[in-house]
Amino acid sequence: DQQVKQNSPSLSVQEGRISILNCDYTNSMFDYFLWYKKYPAEGPTFLISISSIKDKNEDGRFTVFLNKSAKHLSLHIVPSQPGDSAVYFCAASERYNNNDMRFGAGTRLTVKP
Amino acid sequence: EAQVTQNPRYLITVTGKKLTVTCSQNMNHEYMSWYRQDPGLGLRQIYYSMNVEVTDKGDVPEGYKVSRKEKRNFPLILESPSPNQTSLYFCASSLSPTGTGNTIYFGEGSWLTVV
Repeated sequence: DQQVKQNSPSLSVQEGRISILNCDYTNSMFDYFLWYKKYPAEGPTFLISISSIKDKNEDGRFTVFLNKSAKHLSLHIVPSQPGDSAVYFCAASERYNNNDMRFGAGTRLTVKP
Repeated sequence: EAQVTQNPRYLITVTGKKLTVTCSQNMNHEYMSWYRQDPGLGLRQIYYSMNVEVTDKGDVPEGYKVSRKEKRNFPLILESPSPNQTSLYFCASSLSPTGTGNTIYFGEGSWLTVV
């Protein structure tokens, strides 16, 4: 039973445009959400997070939006760059607990020059 | 440089032949864990450790063992590997298991194929 779902296995965008990666979750107890980025032959690396007390968190070109009522979060990358091409994992946890962290299946983003 | 190091990175083995994947971190982290990544399923936690000599099962522990005799090391042991354990494995660590800002650091991954 996947509690965190990324329904788009892949996404392709043009350089300079906006990339929007989506994530849905089913567990209403999740209160901390993260995005990880993974390049081939490397481990995932932390990108950005958001607590359930907020609905938006911004870090440079990356913004995460949280809609608690819809149990949905999204990652916006503006403007997209070829170096952003990677697999992006959405993750969620209860009480900021790494033991309870659940990951989505990932979305492969390709940014074309 | 802060690192989580796994070995081997790539391994093909046969069913039933015991193997160990080593994991070491140089950040003095208390918390360490193992994940496997499979297509369409994302990362699933196998085992985790809160500190030395403290380990517990994650979501998919069957067929695996772990130990935490030293803070920096957390090996994953497959006593009798089977083909359904063919996967990409990640070791991870964080300063502590809870709290915002306790970023999980992942190793580079170990591709394991069991034939």
